[in-house]
Amino acid sequence: QSALTQPASVSGSPGQSITISCIGTNSDLGVYNYVSWYQQHPGKAPKFLIYHVTDRPSGVSNRFSGSKSGNTASLTISGLQAEDEADYYCSAYTTSRTYVFGTGTRVTVL
Amino acid sequence: QVQLQQWGAGLLKPSETLSLTCAVYDDSLLGYYWTWIRQPPEKGLEWVGEINDGGRTNYNPSLKSRVTISVDTSKKQFSLKLNSVTAADTAVYFCAREANGAFEIWGQGTMVTVSP
Repeated sequence: QSALTQPASVSGSPGQSITISCIGTNSDLGVYNYVSWYQQHPGKAPKFLIYHVTDRPSGVSNRFSGSKSGNTASLTISGLQAEDEADYYCSAYTTSRTYVFGTGTRVTVL
Repeated sequence: QVQLQQWGAGLLKPSETLSLTCAVYDDSLLGYYWTWIRQPPEKGLEWVGEINDGGRTNYNPSLKSRVTISVDTSKKQFSLKLNSVTAADTAVYFCAREANGAFEIWGQGTMVTVSP
């Protein structure tokens, strides 16, 4: 199974909005809505941000939002803050009853 | 609040077997899938496999021939074994609880290095 495709890096200024794309196939993103997103700061375990494409677990800021169209999912971070500087990963369930992660995106706050 | 605490050997020689265990605190194992995920140094996340409380497993096809995930519901623990390790298996290994198609709770991670 191939990793989902994410841009290597995205940057923005404080207060701006940025969007990270996650491109899959008809065997994963195109089939199920089991799409999730994670934030990872250096040396830390990933933090769960989004599930079911758009849903946020309790405690996650509403500045994080998810969407999906066809084989592409997206994570938008609005009102960018310095603490948002981290790596972000998408994940999707596949028709093989496995999970696949995205290649990861480094977000830089300018 | 549910916590996952993991442990295992951090330094292995090629061809040895990697063995990690993850304990679940303040919740039951029942009704969830329990997952192992790894991350090579400076690289992305890779799903290794999962198990439910009934022992049903699913594995990453690229690792399936070498991986065994098991569960001990009485101890509230689940374990990962990966045999015939090589340098390519050097990574931080995370355990996680899966629900609703997402990995909602993570262990602290264990660095495993394979070196002659």
